[in-house]
Amino acid sequence: AQTVTQSQPEMSVQEAETVTLSCTYDTSESDYYLFWYKQPPSRQMILVIRQEAYKQQNATENRFSVNFQKAAKSFSLKISDSQLGDAAMYFCAYSLSGNTPLVFGKGTRLSVIA
Amino acid sequence: DAGVIQSPRHEVTEMGQEVTLRCKPISGHNSLFWYRQTMMRGLELLIYFNNNVPIDDSGMPEDRFSAKMPNASFSTLKIQPSEPRDSAVYFCASSRWESSYNEQFFGPGTRLTVL
Repeated sequence: AQTVTQSQPEMSVQEAETVTLSCTYDTSESDYYLFWYKQPPSRQMILVIRQEAYKQQNATENRFSVNFQKAAKSFSLKISDSQLGDAAMYFCAYSLSGNTPLVFGKGTRLSVIA
Repeated sequence: DAGVIQSPRHEVTEMGQEVTLRCKPISGHNSLFWYRQTMMRGLELLIYFNNNVPIDDSGMPEDRFSAKMPNASFSTLKIQPSEPRDSAVYFCASSRWESSYNEQFFGPGTRLTVL
């Protein structure tokens, strides 16, 4: 069974600084998808960024980028120029395809200090 | 599009009562997922449907839980009888698996409290 591990229950970052959230996963598949979801206090799940395993290039979305290391089964999220609105729970997730479930990590609570 | 719609947003009930959670997926989506979020267990899959057919219900805790998807635009998750340990946030998500974007869109969740 696939598993996703987030080893940092909590992280904090100063406003305008950069922070990296860690995620590792375990799978025997070669093709799959990885995601980072943000959950603010409103509890809405918001997709931040996605990565297809067959793509070597790391995904980027504005201030958000990932470091995808397929051999190491590592998928970290870097948030640059952190803003107060980035404060939230961040979940790393894995899926095989669009019609299969997401497997989530336990989450990392990110605090942004003004 | 209005996104995934869930109702109610909040539900408070007493132990032993029947609870029904509802979900309307995004139009055109053909996969629907029910997840549960608790502090202890995090986010976990309960059941999912492809083209209205249940594919995997191994995450349903016990026979007290049941889910249906009678058509492409509606699904229910029922708990009967409810217990305090069922207190959690229940999310519905939908996706269109032909989409190369492969994103699951989540509803706002239902916060269930069983007293």
